Amino acid sequence: EPEVTQTPSHQVTQMGQEVILRCVPISNHLYFYWYRQILGQKVEFLVSFYNNEISEKSEIFDDQFSVERPDGSNFTLKIRSTKLEDSAMYFCASKLLPGQGARRPSTDTQYFGPGTRLTVL
Amino acid sequence: QKEVEQNSGPLSVPEGAIASLNCTYSDRGSQSFFWYRQYSGKSPELIMFIYSNGDKEDGRFTAQLNKASQYVSLLIRDSQPSDSATYLCAVNSPIVNYGGATNKLIFGTGTLLAVQP
Repeated sequence: EPEVTQTPSHQVTQMGQEVILRCVPISNHLYFYWYRQILGQKVEFLVSFYNNEISEKSEIFDDQFSVERPDGSNFTLKIRSTKLEDSAMYFCASKLLPGQGARRPSTDTQYFGPGTRLTVL
Repeated sequence: QKEVEQNSGPLSVPEGAIASLNCTYSDRGSQSFFWYRQYSGKSPELIMFIYSNGDKEDGRFTAQLNKASQYVSLLIRDSQPSDSATYLCAVNSPIVNYGGATNKLIFGTGTLLAVQP
């Protein structure tokens, strides 16, 4: 069964450094998302991406964050200057486009990758 | 602010019993409702989705939706120790500019379920 994959599984960085988290969504999915989960807290939406542009971003997703689909398979989240409070699990998710041949609500279902644990020291 | 509320637990049930997990949501525009299971340190794993009022059964799991009361629940029959995990309720929140097609998920804090052998 196709899966969302993420690399690396764990990233340790110094405060102020740039990090890039990588995701490979399920191959026929067209909507991509990043979520984060601070230890012990709820999963929070960061950004959604469709047709090579951001469709929505949360208040968390400030100018330090950016997303990119550099090629046909990868979807990346960049944090330009990491802060201590950026330490969290970051999850990538993807889903189908409505009308991609699947019945609703399959097209509403987001499939999550295994996550990248980011530790900022 | 759109909210999804869950009792954080822990909910402790004996093996073989029925576990009942509850969730309320604030946005009446929500259209789809999801239950994810999350083991410690792992990513959310989809258990069930529901979008129509009433019950939906899948094996040992039953999801219940009451849109008038803005209430979603998950029943786990014949609970097993391997069911011990945090159960996340998630509600889709349509993104206005894209007609809801790119809906983001709003998660609750999750309910920790502990099934005692």
